[in-house]
Amino acid sequence: GAGVSQSPSNKVTEKGKDVELRCDPISGHTALYWYRQSLGQGLEFLIYFQGNSAPDKSGLPSDRFSAERTGGSVSTLTIQRTQQEDSAVYLCASSLAGLGPYNEQFFGPGTRLTVL
Amino acid sequence: GQNIDQPTEMTATEGAIVQINCTYQTSGFNGLFWYQQHAGEAPTFLSYNVLDGLEEKGRFSSFLSRSKGYSYLLLKELQMKDSASYLCAVSSSGAGSYQLTFGKGTKLSVIP
Repeated sequence: GAGVSQSPSNKVTEKGKDVELRCDPISGHTALYWYRQSLGQGLEFLIYFQGNSAPDKSGLPSDRFSAERTGGSVSTLTIQRTQQEDSAVYLCASSLAGLGPYNEQFFGPGTRLTVL
Repeated sequence: GQNIDQPTEMTATEGAIVQINCTYQTSGFNGLFWYQQHAGEAPTFLSYNVLDGLEEKGRFSSFLSRSKGYSYLLLKELQMKDSASYLCAVSSSGAGSYQLTFGKGTKLSVIP
């Protein structure tokens, strides 16, 4: 595709429910990142996939959060037993390779998650 | 860990020049990015600095001093469309992995 796509664009769920957020990176990009942006806050790194290497999960805030990337392309971020503090915009980004010179990240439009 | 500071808000006049500062503390420094984010939209890449000095790209320039842990983004000939948040982000590496840590962003308002 022309850019990074994410779905759904908006998700409203009830506290305690599980949600799945999808990211489709730019074709050929080996690196994929998930971030969370809460109101008035900076982007918070969640997880990073690079090729076939084990993902860097150091940013996941709790064990309710998990992510996978199938076939080196599409990624799914899953939040189990959602809490109100999980409400945020979840952004996905991809880059040609890992972080380094000129490997700029291209961001998707984000999924706005609201937990009631 | 990483610590990134940038002003919360700035206001500047159309046609003027504005400098947005960013200071950081990190280990394993691997470069500094600036992103622009319009309200309700995804961030878009502006610049990347890994060596000391000034990188110029049209109306936008970015400067880095690694010894001082300091960067700035310079916007010239401001236009109304430049009203946005500007995010400073530091790339750091360690234990074979990379992280990109973002500051909270500087909301720039351009007024006529």
